Amino acid sequence: DQQVKQNSPSLSVQEGRISILNCDYTNSMFDYFLWYKKYPAEGPTFLISISSIKDKNEDGRFTVFLNKSAKHLSLHIVPSQPGDSAVYFCAASSNQAGTALIFGKGTTLSVSS
Amino acid sequence: DVKVTQSSRYLVKRTGEKVFLECVQDMDHENMFWYRQDPGLGLRLIYFSYDVKMKEKGDIPEGYSVSREKKERFSLILESASTNQTSMYLCASSLRQGASPLHFGNGTRLTVT
Repeated sequence: DQQVKQNSPSLSVQEGRISILNCDYTNSMFDYFLWYKKYPAEGPTFLISISSIKDKNEDGRFTVFLNKSAKHLSLHIVPSQPGDSAVYFCAASSNQAGTALIFGKGTTLSVSS
Repeated sequence: DVKVTQSSRYLVKRTGEKVFLECVQDMDHENMFWYRQDPGLGLRLIYFSYDVKMKEKGDIPEGYSVSREKKERFSLILESASTNQTSMYLCASSLRQGASPLHFGNGTRLTVT
């Protein structure tokens, strides 16, 4: 049973526009959420995170929003650039000992110029 | 910067062979992880370790074992490789459990024929 779900396998956006990637989770014990970006033949790289005490975190062009009541988070990229084309993974964990990050299946973002 | 190094980028092995995937991190991180990435399935946790000689099963441990004799090194072992273990294997480390980003290596693309 998937605890972290990314329901859109792919997303296509034009350069300069906003990209919105979505993620839903089922485990109410999750209190830390992250987004990773992955290019082909490379390992995932950490992009941005948010803890459950916040509802928004911003880092340059990237903003993550968390809606705890809906168990939903989203990543906004503004403005989108062709170099943002990659697979984006949402991940979640709880702060308990003995736990590890649980990843979604990923969304492939394509930004066209 | 954290460096996580996986010993091989590409490996081709035969069915039934014993396969060792090696991973080394240079930041004195407590926790190390092995994931596999498959198209449409995202990143799935195989095993993780939060201390030397300690290991915990992830979501898909069957057919795998691990070894952590030194803090910086975490090995994944395929006891008898099978074709369904053809995948991209990703090693990661983190400073602590739970609310701490993972730092990934570049992955090992294993093909079992």
